[in-house]
Amino acid sequence: EAGVAQSPRYKIIEKRQSVAFWCNPISGHATLYWYQQILGQGPKLLIQFQNNGVVDDSQLPKDRFSAERLKGVDSTLKIQPAKLEDSAVYLCASSLWQNTEAFFGQGTRLTVV
Amino acid sequence: AQSVAQPEDQVNVAEGNPLTVKCTYSVSGNPYLFWYVQYPNRGLQFLLKYITGDNLVKGSYGFEAEFNKSQTSFHLKKPSALVSDSALYFCAVRDPGANNLFFGTGTRLTVIP
Repeated sequence: EAGVAQSPRYKIIEKRQSVAFWCNPISGHATLYWYQQILGQGPKLLIQFQNNGVVDDSQLPKDRFSAERLKGVDSTLKIQPAKLEDSAVYLCASSLWQNTEAFFGQGTRLTVV
Repeated sequence: AQSVAQPEDQVNVAEGNPLTVKCTYSVSGNPYLFWYVQYPNRGLQFLLKYITGDNLVKGSYGFEAEFNKSQTSFHLKKPSALVSDSALYFCAVRDPGANNLFFGTGTRLTVIP
């Protein structure tokens, strides 16, 4: 079974630029998550989708971050404009349903300079 | 509000000795509890979960965890540590009434040959 796919693996951008990350979850998984993991901290949920609907985006900085999952399968997370403090690993995860375990992709390491 | 604490940033153990990585939680209802492991430059890998049933749950790579409701703990254990177990371990909790899978700050386990 293929795992959660994320791209790119690494990205370096200057502050105030925009960036987008892509995630393809495990086939059949209805729930998709985007987490931000800052070095030395645990992952923090940014947004959670159930199929193509948002169920939790309470910690998403909506003035600069956006995410979509239009067809209920793959998803993109965008940051525009980026700030230095956005430097982190962005993890995508999926689960069969909301209350089952989540499986994570390898993440995208973003460096904002 | 739900929360999870991992009181030790670092745990060192000699190869072959038993290991314990501690986790305590706070939720309003009956918790769903998870352990994940993260190797360098990799995403999080699911180890085990407690949803209901037996307090002792067994997971991947010989790990197990014991759910203790009175102490609100879910410590990760392994009878005999391997050098390859050296990694970052995260405890996570979900309140069944909430959407968010909330992670602790992580414990770095080092197994000394």
